[in-house]
Parts: sequence; C-alpha cells; structure tokens
Amino acid sequence: SYEVTQPPSVSVWPGLTATITCSGDNLHDKNVCWYKQKSGQSPVLVMYQHTKRPSGIPERISGSTFGNTATLTISGTQAMDEADYYCQAWDSTTVIFGGGTKVTVL
Amino acid sequence: QVQLVQSGADVKNPGASVKVSCQTSGYIFTSYFMHWVRHAPGQGLEWMGVINPNPSGGRAHYAQTFQGRVTLTRDTSTNTVYMILNGLRSEDTAVYYCAREDSTMGAFDVWGQGTKVTVSS
Repeated sequence: SYEVTQPPSVSVWPGLTATITCSGDNLHDKNVCWYKQKSGQSPVLVMYQHTKRPSGIPERISGSTFGNTATLTISGTQAMDEADYYCQAWDSTTVIFGGGTKVTVL
Repeated sequence: QVQLVQSGADVKNPGASVKVSCQTSGYIFTSYFMHWVRHAPGQGLEWMGVINPNPSGGRAHYAQTFQGRVTLTRDTSTNTVYMILNGLRSEDTAVYYCAREDSTMGAFDVWGQGTKVTVSS
C-alpha cells in the first residue's frame, strides 16, 4: 500500500524558516495537501494541490513538490506556528496521511 | 456558515460498538463527500473511510484497516452522517473526526470538533 513519510520533529527559532518534508513514490503525480493541528483542536487545511493556500492562510506559509518530496515552508516562524503538521496524499480513492511532524518554536 | 457538529464523548467496553454522528449545516448536504478520520493518543491521523451523502451515490468506501468493522451511513432528512465501529478494542481509543471533502480542492476544508471514544473495561 502507498505510504508517505515525514520527519517526527522540526525545531526552529522565532523569525527563521521551518521546513517540513513529506516523501512518497511519485508524489509529484498525486494531489498533496497539508494540515495543521494544535493540541486538543481539529486539523485545519493550510495547503492544497501542492502549492495553493486556502483563504485565511498567511503568505509566509508555502508549499512545493519536486519528484518524490513535498515541502511545507513556514517563513518568519511565530509562536502561533507551533503545532503538528500532516501531509496527505490521494492514492486513487484512498486517503493517505503522513505520520505528522511536530514543529517546535524554540 | 458551514458547520459539522459531532456527538459527545463516549465510553465503551471492549467488544462493543460505537455510533458517532456528524450533523451538518450551512451547505448543500448532498454536494460534498464526507470522510472520517481518527487520532489515537500519541499517533498520527488515520483515514477510515468516505461516504457520498447523495443516496444515489453508491456504497461507502473504507480503508483496508477497517474493512468489516466500520460502517458509514447518511440521513438526508437531518443532513447527518454516522460512523459505526464494531468490535471495539483498547487500540480504538481515539478522537474521531468527520471531515468534508471539497472536490475542487481535493482536500478536507471543514472538520467536525471531534468525538472522544474511550474503550475500557
């Protein structure tokens, strides 16, 4: 079955850039989305179709995919960005989530 | 505004079944597929399945992990989707979410508030 892999954790100083990766076979050929989940809250969509931001998501959050790796980039990281981030891909009609990356703002 | 309101927390014995509801409002119920995702303690998000709320939309589609144990149903008179999980075990202790799929985005644009299900004897 199809799988996508994320690093368990990423740490970043305030104001700097956090980079979260998501790896899977031929990921560039699949629709990739990203969700942010703060502790005790429901997930929130922050990126879809690799590079598109839903309304209300700041421009300092961006997405890209090259080859087998999708990347979510958070520029000018703030305390409010501390959360778990999940990539999600579609494998035909099946939904696949990555294991999640905990972003810690130091 | 679009809302997905789920039923309250539940505690079940091992081997029992649980039924979680997801009542929708603020949009055309039959126009958006509804998915179920769970989040177990210390684990990541796990997709369970999807249902087309349109009665003519065919059968629900389930993740292989849950095949034979989960059933998704809909009630168009109340704009509500239900998730039934059978044969509960301690590993099913989790927060269960319904999530609306926006087919244009190919993403889950609205989520319910979550329902905590605890399986314990």
